[in-house]
Amino acid sequence: DVKVTQSSRYLVKRTGEKVFLECVQDMDHENMFWYRQDPGLGLRLIYFSYDVKMKEKGDIPEGYSVSREKKERFSLILESASTNQTSMYLCASSLDTSGNTIYFGEGSWLTVV
Amino acid sequence: GENVEQHPSTLSVQEGDSAVIKCTYSDSASNYFPWYKQELGKRPQLIIDIRSNVGEKKDQRIAVTLNKTAKHFSLHITETQPEDSAVYFCADPTGTASKLTFGTGTRLQVTL
Repeated sequence: DVKVTQSSRYLVKRTGEKVFLECVQDMDHENMFWYRQDPGLGLRLIYFSYDVKMKEKGDIPEGYSVSREKKERFSLILESASTNQTSMYLCASSLDTSGNTIYFGEGSWLTVV
Repeated sequence: GENVEQHPSTLSVQEGDSAVIKCTYSDSASNYFPWYKQELGKRPQLIIDIRSNVGEKKDQRIAVTLNKTAKHFSLHITETQPEDSAVYFCADPTGTASKLTFGTGTRLQVTL
């Protein structure tokens, strides 16, 4: 089974703090994604990466950056957390070719106070 | 990304009844249409998908139909059971790297 692991399930951070959300997948997938999930807004793509050191903006990249130094690891960074970034963050991965299943991690609940 | 509109946002059915959720997409080049189910407190997981070369696909009590002319695809759940209660997301691939744009989700509640 594909395993996508997010290191932190629940975090509480203060406004202005730098936040790192880590994600690791064990299936040698080329693609990795960070989504944000909010009630009524579905799953919105923040950033994705199709290869090591490659990244592309999703639909809502403002206030976020990412890092992919190794194929299995994709990090989401909030340079200066704000209260409107309180949300559930989902990491995911998939094989390279179109039409492949996306596998999600369990999610990280981030509260910014 | 391309728009994917999903309706309804909430759906309540009695156990044993059928449920239908519909998604409309805008990119005529789209060729892969998955549905994901997210149970409370859990991660979304793929339950069924369809490719553009077929009009319908079934897997036990769930089915997906595709109308490429009208640019919509639907999830059908028959003989609903309490364990079908969840949030369901449709998705449409956009751009490179099989990036999926998700609908806003449908919260299905199956009542006894």
